Amino acid sequence: GQQVMQIPQYQHVQEGEDFTTYCNSSTTLSNIQWYKQRPGGHPVFLIQLVKSGEVKKQKRLTFQFGEAKKNSSLHITATQTTDVGTYFCAGTQGGSEKLVFGKGTKLTVNP
Amino acid sequence: NAGVTQTPKFQVLKTGQSMTLQCAQDMNHEYMSWYRQDPGMGLRLIHYSVGAGITDQGEVPNGYNVSRSTTEDFPLRLLSAAPSQTSVYFCASSYGKTGNTIYFGEGSWLTVV
Repeated sequence: GQQVMQIPQYQHVQEGEDFTTYCNSSTTLSNIQWYKQRPGGHPVFLIQLVKSGEVKKQKRLTFQFGEAKKNSSLHITATQTTDVGTYFCAGTQGGSEKLVFGKGTKLTVNP
Repeated sequence: NAGVTQTPKFQVLKTGQSMTLQCAQDMNHEYMSWYRQDPGMGLRLIHYSVGAGITDQGEVPNGYNVSRSTTEDFPLRLLSAAPSQTSVYFCASSYGKTGNTIYFGEGSWLTVV
């Protein structure tokens, strides 16, 4: 079945450093979504990528979708303490109704 | 806006007991789903529904039942609770097929002793 692998599982950075999390699928994805979950909270939608090679930016966050639509990345420039949380990618395979999540990358930021 | 509402927020069950986690959304979303979240395991899909009267299994459906009699409600039933079902449960909804933004409820923390 469809699997979505996400690395690293944990990342600790100093405030101001950059952060990147990577998502890889065993199959071609129709789209990929990214979510952020604060400690004790629920996942909150950040963005969706649909097109091969797509790049989207939200302030300090840059999202990329690979050319083969099998991988994606989220890059945060100059992390802040407000970036703390777990970042999940999630994708759907063509024609499937199921959204499969990666295991997430837990980001901690040292002020 | 209420969004996606889950109840209860916290529940302790004894092994073998049954219970229902309630989920309601007021956004007229067609797609609803239930996930469980365990440490280091991410979010795993239990069951989902693409519309009233239609349900299907996700990755980890065993031990759970769902029904979708209305667009708004999507309850999750634990038939005979087991300690392995101790988890945080999230209900989610979206408009149309997956690929649209998914809105999550605030979660239900379930402990089975």
